[in-house]
Amino acid sequence: DVKVTQSSRYLVKRTGEKVFLECVQDMDHENMFWYRQDPGLGLRLIYFSYDVKMKEKGDIPEGYSVSREKKERFSLILESASTNQTSMYLCASSPQGGASYEQYFGPGTRLTVT
Amino acid sequence: ILNVEQSPQSLHVQEGDSTNFTCSFPSSNFYALHWYRWETAKSPEALFVMTLNGDEKKKGRISATLNTKEGYSYLYIKGSQPEDSATYLCAFVEWSNDYKLSFGAGTTVTVRA
Repeated sequence: DVKVTQSSRYLVKRTGEKVFLECVQDMDHENMFWYRQDPGLGLRLIYFSYDVKMKEKGDIPEGYSVSREKKERFSLILESASTNQTSMYLCASSPQGGASYEQYFGPGTRLTVT
Repeated sequence: ILNVEQSPQSLHVQEGDSTNFTCSFPSSNFYALHWYRWETAKSPEALFVMTLNGDEKKKGRISATLNTKEGYSYLYIKGSQPEDSATYLCAFVEWSNDYKLSFGAGTTVTVRA
């Protein structure tokens, strides 16, 4: 069974803290993605990675960075958390070959920054 | 950021009734259109990936059609059941950015028993 897991379902952090969100997939997929989802808006792409150590900015990369040291793991880093980063964060993966293949999503991490 | 719109934002359906809703996307530079179902407290799950104008896909009681020339896709649910209650997301992929999905805000379907 295909699996994308995220390190936490719920997370509460203080303004200014450094926050790590971890995502692991067991499907040997080349592509991995980080999205955030806010009420009334579609999923918005923060960053994606098409290979180990490779990354591309999405639509809203400001305030975030990513790390992909191993194929199965893709981390999202909030260098200095702010209240406007309170959101649901979703990780996804897909095989190589562009978006003609479906993406497989994790369960999401609901992050609250106070 | 591409303009992908879904309507209606939400709808309530009586169990056993059929329903449909729309995803509108840019009609130029089309590469693919995805549909996902997102049930509360679960991960979004792919329903369909559609790539050809005129495509029709079916999965059980759920089906989808695609018109790339006019920029819309319909999702149909036949004989709605309570387990169909979910948010349905569509995502457009344009040719020049073939890795990137641009999502609509979703249509939330609530099926009343």
